[in-house]
Amino acid sequence: GAVVSQHPSRVICKSGTSVKIECRSLDFQATTMFWYRQFPKQSLMLMATSNEGSKATYEQGVEKDKFLINHASLTLSTLTVTSAHPEDSSFYICSASTPGGDGYTFGSGTRLTVV
Amino acid sequence: GNSVTQMEGPVTLSEEAFLTINCTYTATGYPSLFWYVQYPGEGLQLLLKATKADDKGSNKGFEATYRKETTSFHLEKGSVQVSDSAVYFCALSRDSWGKLQFGAGTQVVVTP
Repeated sequence: GAVVSQHPSRVICKSGTSVKIECRSLDFQATTMFWYRQFPKQSLMLMATSNEGSKATYEQGVEKDKFLINHASLTLSTLTVTSAHPEDSSFYICSASTPGGDGYTFGSGTRLTVV
Repeated sequence: GNSVTQMEGPVTLSEEAFLTINCTYTATGYPSLFWYVQYPGEGLQLLLKATKADDKGSNKGFEATYRKETTSFHLEKGSVQVSDSAVYFCALSRDSWGKLQFGAGTQVVVTP
């Protein structure tokens, strides 16, 4: 079946630095990928929709300049958290639309801790 | 706008008990409905889905039926195992490729 690989699974960074999270579709082409953020014991909040070759569409309230999304190829989307602060600490999950109308495949998530 | 409401947890059960997690939705038209499961520290896995009214999704002993008249998609399993302990999310999408709207999630704890 369709597989989405997300890397890294855990990252700890210092305040003020930037962190890049990668999301790859391993055995299919993903023209659309989604980035979610999940706070502890809460649901997933959609941050943005990433379309290959075009600018990402951000949800209301999500800072575009802070959460940079790049979808330069049909198998890779990246989320860069710029100038990270402790409040950016969270679990970030990507997903891709699965071909054939089966829905979505999710990555395994990235636990970001900003110290 | 679209929304998904699911019962609050945690739900604590003994092994082999019957599990029901209620999910209702608000949406225009005929959305697709999903149940996802998240094990600790992991991403989400699709458990089952239904794309039209009266469809029944089933997988790993779990079932849910798309009820248009009650706008519901309740998840059921007849006999739970300890390995079913996880957080379960109900979700909807306007189509198979649109963005997902998630419920708050329901934590299920199954004890031996």
